[in-house]
Amino acid sequence: AQKVTQAQTEISVVEKEDVTLDCVYETRDTTYYLFWYKQPPSGELVFLIRRNSFDEQNEISGRYSWNFQKSTSSFNFTITASQVVDSAVYFCALSEANYGGATNKLIFGTGTLLAVQP
Amino acid sequence: SQTIHQWPATLVQPVGSPLSLECTVEGTSNPNLYWYRQAAGRGLQLLFYSVGIGQISSEVPQNLSASRPQDRQFILSSKKLLLSDSGFYLCAWSVRARGPDTQYFGPGTRLTVL
Repeated sequence: AQKVTQAQTEISVVEKEDVTLDCVYETRDTTYYLFWYKQPPSGELVFLIRRNSFDEQNEISGRYSWNFQKSTSSFNFTITASQVVDSAVYFCALSEANYGGATNKLIFGTGTLLAVQP
Repeated sequence: SQTIHQWPATLVQPVGSPLSLECTVEGTSNPNLYWYRQAAGRGLQLLFYSVGIGQISSEVPQNLSASRPQDRQFILSSKKLLLSDSGFYLCAWSVRARGPDTQYFGPGTRLTVL
């Protein structure tokens, strides 16, 4: 069965600190996809990144970076020089491959609440 | 560009009353549509998804139903609300493609059942 674990329930940092959000997944599929979403206090889930299981290159987007390691089934998310606006709940999600089927389903972790203090 | 709308934004309903939440997507055709519920514990639960007009798949047996009367409209309904139906309801859309569909979420409806 597919499963996503975000062991960190809440993290509190002071502005400008770096912070890493952990995500560990379980799947029997050889092809799968991983996602990160941000949920600010307004409630809307904002898509951040999608990664497929064949691409283990780390990705950087501004202050955000993602470390995908198949060997440890992890897809961790690092925010460098955190800012108050980064305060939100962050969700990691897993999806099986969509071989032209109807759709793919997202399996979400329980989320990590990040609080960035000024 | 694509946008997704949900209304109402907030709703307070008594137990036993009916429910109708609406979701519409603009700027795309034939999207996949999804309803999720987020309870107080933050977990997101997929309730329904639809790959076309009149095509609804239910993920969890419950007090709710969904309908898709038009290509870009998705409605979540209940005939009689329960206290346990309280939560934050999110609609999402995706475009079918090779590989995974990336789901994009609406602003949500916060439902309180009293």
